[in-house]
Amino acid sequence: DAKTTQPPSMDCAEGRAANLPCNHSTISGNEYVYWYRQIHSQGPQYIIHGLKNNETNEMASLIITEDRKSSTLILPHATLRDTAVYYCIVRVEGSNYKLTFGKGTLLTVNP
Amino acid sequence: KAGVTQTPRYLIKTRGQQVTLSCSPISGHRSVSWYQQTPGQGLQFLFEYFSETQRNKGNFPGRFSGRQFSNSRSEMNVSTLELGDSALYLCASSRQLMTGEGSGNTIYFGEGSWLTVV
Repeated sequence: DAKTTQPPSMDCAEGRAANLPCNHSTISGNEYVYWYRQIHSQGPQYIIHGLKNNETNEMASLIITEDRKSSTLILPHATLRDTAVYYCIVRVEGSNYKLTFGKGTLLTVNP
Repeated sequence: KAGVTQTPRYLIKTRGQQVTLSCSPISGHRSVSWYQQTPGQGLQFLFEYFSETQRNKGNFPGRFSGRQFSNSRSEMNVSTLELGDSALYLCASSRQLMTGEGSGNTIYFGEGSWLTVV
C-alpha cells in the first residue's frame, strides 16, 4: 500500500509559486520525506528531502508540518520545464528495501 | 559531477532474445539498484548490489539477473525476452547500501534504458 497521498494533478502559471501537497500520516519517527520528479521519458530526478525541519536548496523548498503527517514542496518560480510528475515518498527502512513511488502529482505549468 | 549513466538509451529486441543493460554510478557511490517502470505497474524494484554482492532482490523471475564490478559499475541481463518485458529500466545509485539509515543516503537515478520487445 502507498504510504503517501498526493493530488493527481495541479496547474500553475509560469513564474508563480507551485505548492505541491503530500500526506504521510503513518510516517515513523526515523523516516525521511523525499521528493522526486519525472519528466516524460526520463529517469526520476531527486529534488529534496527532510526529516523534521524545513529544507531549501537551489531547486525547491520543503515544508514539513510539526506533526510530520504532511508536507509541501514549493517551487518558488515555476517554469515550463518544471512540468512533470512529482513523487513524494517516505523512505522505507528495513532489510528488504524497496523504493516505492505512488501515482504522484502531474504538475502542468502553463504559459 | 557526472550523474548516473545508463546505456543504451533505447533498444528494440525480439521475443526470445536476451539483453544486457549497463549502468555507471555516480563516482564514490557503492550501491546500485535496478528498477522496472511500466505505465501499468509503476516503479518496481528488481535488485540492489553493493560491493559486488546482491543485497536485495525484488519479485522478478530468474530471467532477470545482474552483477556489479569492482569499480561499482553494474549490468543487468534479461534472458528469453517476453513482450511484457517492454519497459523503462532504471538504474539508481547511492553512497551507501540503500537499507542503511541516515540522510546522506539519497538515491539518484539515471535516465533509463527504454526496452521494446517485439
